[in-house]
Amino acid sequence: EDQVTQSPEALRLQEGESSSLNCSYTVSGLRGLFWYRQDPGKGPEFLFTLYSAGEEKEKERLKATLTKKESFLHITAPKPEDSATYLCAVRGNEKLTFGTGTRLTIIP
Amino acid sequence: KAGVTQTPRYLIKTRGQQVTLSCSPISGHRSVSWYQQTPGQGLQFLFEYFSETQRNKGNFPGRFSGRQFSNSRSEMNVSTLELGDSALYLCASSIRTDKYEQYFGPGTRLTVT
Repeated sequence: EDQVTQSPEALRLQEGESSSLNCSYTVSGLRGLFWYRQDPGKGPEFLFTLYSAGEEKEKERLKATLTKKESFLHITAPKPEDSATYLCAVRGNEKLTFGTGTRLTIIP
Repeated sequence: KAGVTQTPRYLIKTRGQQVTLSCSPISGHRSVSWYQQTPGQGLQFLFEYFSETQRNKGNFPGRFSGRQFSNSRSEMNVSTLELGDSALYLCASSIRTDKYEQYFGPGTRLTVT
């Protein structure tokens, strides 16, 4: 069965303090790894898709990387508006499996 | 381009009743997936449809069912509601199944009393 584990569960950072979120996965036949951002009471917002080890994607202060066993979401000089829950998901042979997310809080 | 829309946004039902939730995908998207999100379990996959055919199903009881219409719109139904069915139900659409990213709607918040 496909599995996704995200760490840490929660992270508090000062504004401007860079850090990384981790997503470890086991999947049969990786079709893609996806990162989403979710604000309270809203649906997840698509951020990135990664397909193969070594691939990297960037968007504003966020950068996602992928290895054969894990993915990292690096956040550089975060701002308070980056506060959200970040979800990682993998697409295997049958379905999309989500991790439980990292709740990120950026303190002004 | 309009995003994924879900109706209703909020719903309160009583145990034993049934409920139908609706989802309109992004124009041109032919795949629709449904998820249940709860604080304890996170996002759990319910089912996935493509061209009116159910392609995959998650580990939920038969009380949960769905369908997709020829215009790609989808509905899910939950019969004989239980207190544990209280959750945010999310619909997501993608161009096709498999490796393509899914775009989520705002969800329907279902409360069962």
